[in-house]
Amino acid sequence: GAGVSQTPSNKVTEKGKYVELRCDPISGHTALYWYRQSLGQGPEFLIYFQGTGAADDSGLPNDRFFAVRPEGSVSTLKIQRTERGDSAVYLCASSLGPGHLSYEQYFGPGTRLTVT
Amino acid sequence: GENVEQHPSTLSVQEGDSAVIKCTYSDSASNYFPWYKQELGKGPQLIIDIRSNVGEKKDQRIAVTLNKTAKHFSLHITETQPEDSAVYFCAAYGGGADGLTFGKGTHLIIQP
Repeated sequence: GAGVSQTPSNKVTEKGKYVELRCDPISGHTALYWYRQSLGQGPEFLIYFQGTGAADDSGLPNDRFFAVRPEGSVSTLKIQRTERGDSAVYLCASSLGPGHLSYEQYFGPGTRLTVT
Repeated sequence: GENVEQHPSTLSVQEGDSAVIKCTYSDSASNYFPWYKQELGKGPQLIIDIRSNVGEKKDQRIAVTLNKTAKHFSLHITETQPEDSAVYFCAAYGGGADGLTFGKGTHLIIQP
C-alpha cells in the first residue's frame, strides 16, 4: 500500500521567508510525528500528533516552528522567518496508534530544506 | 531526557562476513528499540525492532539483542551483501518523550 508521502521533496528559500512542508501519513494511522535530520546526524524529534491535537511539541526548537493537523490526517509543518540554521531534511513518520498501542513508526522520504 | 550512543560510526566488512552495531541508552524507562536503515536521499526504513520484555529477535539475516540491565542493544547482520550498504540508526522510545531518540548512525560499507 501507499506509504508516508511528503511534499515538496526539495525546497530552497531565502533567509527570512516563510515555508510550509506537507505530510500525508499512511491511511488509518492516527499518530503522526515530525523529525529534523541534519547532515551526518540521526533524526531529532520535533512534534507528535495523536489525531488532530499536538500531544507533545517539546522538540520544537523555538516559536518560529509550528505544525497543524486540522482533520487528523494531513499535517503541515510551518516555519516562519527562516534562518540558515533551519537547513536540514524534515522527516514525517506515522504510526497506527498512540505509542503504547503501536510503537512502529514508518517514515516518509523527507523534505530537504535549504535556506540561502 | 533519553540519550542514545551508537558505535562504530563507520564499519567496513567483506561481503559474506557479519556486521555488528552497538547502542547504549540512558533512560531505564525506555521500552522499545527499533533499528532503521537509511539509503542516500531516502527516509529511514524500519528493519527490525525489539521490546523490553524480549532479549533477542531474529528475522532472516538480521537479529537484535537487548540487555536491559546494561542498557545496551545490538544489531547483527550475517552473510552481508552489497545491498546492505547504508547508514543504520538505532533508536529508543518510552523514556518520557513521545518521539524516538536516535543514535548518530553507523555507515556500513560492504566490500566486494
